[in-house]
Amino acid sequence: VQMTQSPSYLAASPGESVSISCKASKSISNNLAWYQEKPGKANKLLIHSGSTLQSGTPSRFSGSGSGTDFTLTIRSLESEDFAVYYCQQYNEYPPTFGSGTKLEIK
Amino acid sequence: EVQLVESGGGLVQPGRSLKLSCAASGFTFSNYYMAWVRQAPKKGLEWVATISTSGSRTYYPDSVKGRFTISRDNAKSSLYLQMNSLKSEDTATYYCARRNYGYNYVGYWGQGVMVTVSS
Repeated sequence: VQMTQSPSYLAASPGESVSISCKASKSISNNLAWYQEKPGKANKLLIHSGSTLQSGTPSRFSGSGSGTDFTLTIRSLESEDFAVYYCQQYNEYPPTFGSGTKLEIK
Repeated sequence: EVQLVESGGGLVQPGRSLKLSCAASGFTFSNYYMAWVRQAPKKGLEWVATISTSGSRTYYPDSVKGRFTISRDNAKSSLYLQMNSLKSEDTATYYCARRNYGYNYVGYWGQGVMVTVSS
């Protein structure tokens, strides 16, 4: 299953809201996870099952979608949110990832 | 606190072998499927191997099947990746990953170890 993530780059200011899209090449039900990557830190699971927040994920993060189209939304951006985000499908083996979205401070 | 610490990376010539290790702590290692995920420079993430709790079942994508072997030692809370017949396209950062219960997504990641395949 190919995962197409967009945009690949996003610039925003603290306090703004942003959305990242992830599209699967075939239906994956809601078997989608979102991760955050920051320099010098281990990747962090944010959301699984399309919209279920992992314990410890701030409520300003939300996930939506099912089938082939998914969205990660971050409301009221904080400085710690500027990072790279990846989606990943786990409906079929092998699990596959999107190419990533780099969120930078404007 | 869950910790996954990889080791064993480095520079290796094409066609040679390398074995990565991952030391796990902060959880009951034997209760979880484990995996290795890699990321080539400027490329995306790729899932390269999964192993069941007992080690009796393993899964690989076609890109590494027959060359890579994942294994574990539950007594030592350790995960391994034996990589044979290495190719330049295997150059990547390799991450040890704890799979979540029942599903092929990663609950916890290690910080990764770099493997460079070059002559």
